[in-house]
Formats: sequence, structure tokens, C-alpha cells
Amino acid sequence: DTGVSQDPRHKITKRGQNVTFRCDPISEHNRLYWYRQTLGQGPEFLTYFQNEAQLEKSRLLSDRFSAERPKGSFSTLEIQRTEQGDSAMYLCASFGLNSYNEQFFGPGTRLTVL
Amino acid sequence: AQSVTQLGSHVSVSEGALVLLRCNYSSSVPPYLFWYVQYPNQGLQLLLKYTSAATLVKGINGFEAEFKKSETSFHLTKPSAHMSDAAEYFCAVSVHNNDMRFGAGTRLTVKP
Repeated sequence: DTGVSQDPRHKITKRGQNVTFRCDPISEHNRLYWYRQTLGQGPEFLTYFQNEAQLEKSRLLSDRFSAERPKGSFSTLEIQRTEQGDSAMYLCASFGLNSYNEQFFGPGTRLTVL
Repeated sequence: AQSVTQLGSHVSVSEGALVLLRCNYSSSVPPYLFWYVQYPNQGLQLLLKYTSAATLVKGINGFEAEFKKSETSFHLTKPSAHMSDAAEYFCAVSVHNNDMRFGAGTRLTVKP
């Protein structure tokens, strides 16, 4: 499978716990994006990387959120001290130079904070 | 900044009927426009995209969309709905910096 993969697909946690999600993009894609999608809404941009550099962060990304892409390949998104409002689907997408701005999406990680 | 507005959060059609999902965009520069489909608990799948070539874009599963600059619209159509088309549909816009903005989505229901 050469698509975007995300792990885990589902995560249930208690309020106050830390969680980490992983995204593996399409191998030749240099850009990687994180989005958050709440019920009944479209995806909202969180942050993106070009190779290992984090180039833009949305104001939605509070200081409890951190994202890394240490070697320009896979990326992790960590949420510290989770709150019930963090419950959402977290989507990852990747983009390559010849993609005509098309982003390829992974299946998402659904987070439920109890 | 660019944005899209999807008119109608829920559209219901009968099987075999025309599907029309509306999307209007706002962008200060020529945009790239996309329609994605999302099935429950899954990621987004690209249906079609406009990249400044032909204004009538054909996508997968019989869907097509027409870019109308004068109306700032990019409505999605399908001549005959199938039960398997029931899903959430998102219109999205991006410009040169690749920052993609999505609409709130339209849930399509297909009645037998």
C-alpha cells in the first residue's frame, strides 16, 4: 500500500492524559499536513511541514499540541493534558511536487476523550 | 484568505435523480478547487479537481463539476444518483501556498 497511513485508527483516553498519533505520508511527498475534524464540520488546518521544517501553525494549535517530523518522513502529533474538547478526527495528508495542489489523505485517527 | 461556502448541509435525492451539491469560493488569486467524499469513519477521497485547465472537470464515480469564475462557483453534479453515493461531500480551495480550506460539508442521502 503506497497511500498515507495513520496509527492508531481509534484512541480512547481519559481527560488529562497525553496522546500521540503517527502519520506516514506517501514516500516521495515532501509536504505533510495535519487537520482536525469535529463532528459535522469540514477539516480544519492545524499545521504543515515541508520536509522536516514546520512552516505554519494554526491558532487552533494550542501550546498543548506539538507536532514533529524529525527526518522529513513520518510525523507525530502529540496532545498533552487532553481535554474533552480535543475529541475529534485527526487527519493527515501529504503532498508532492507534481500533485497539482492535491493533498492525499490518510484514514484518520479518531480521538475520544472521556 | 481563500474560503469556500457549501450551500445546504444536507441534500436528499431519490435513487436515479440528479445530484447537485453547491459550492461557492472566495479567493483573491486563481484558485485550485477540489471535491472530496468521506464515508463514515474514513479519510477523504478525492472526487475531482480544477487546476485551471478545462472548466468542466470529470471525476470518479460519474461526478463532474464546472468552474464558473463569474459566479465564483464550483458545483458538483451527477446525472443519476446511486445508493452508494450516500456520504459526506466537501468542497475545498487552495492557492499557491497549498493551504487548503474546506467547506462545512454536505451530507448526501439517497432514497430508494
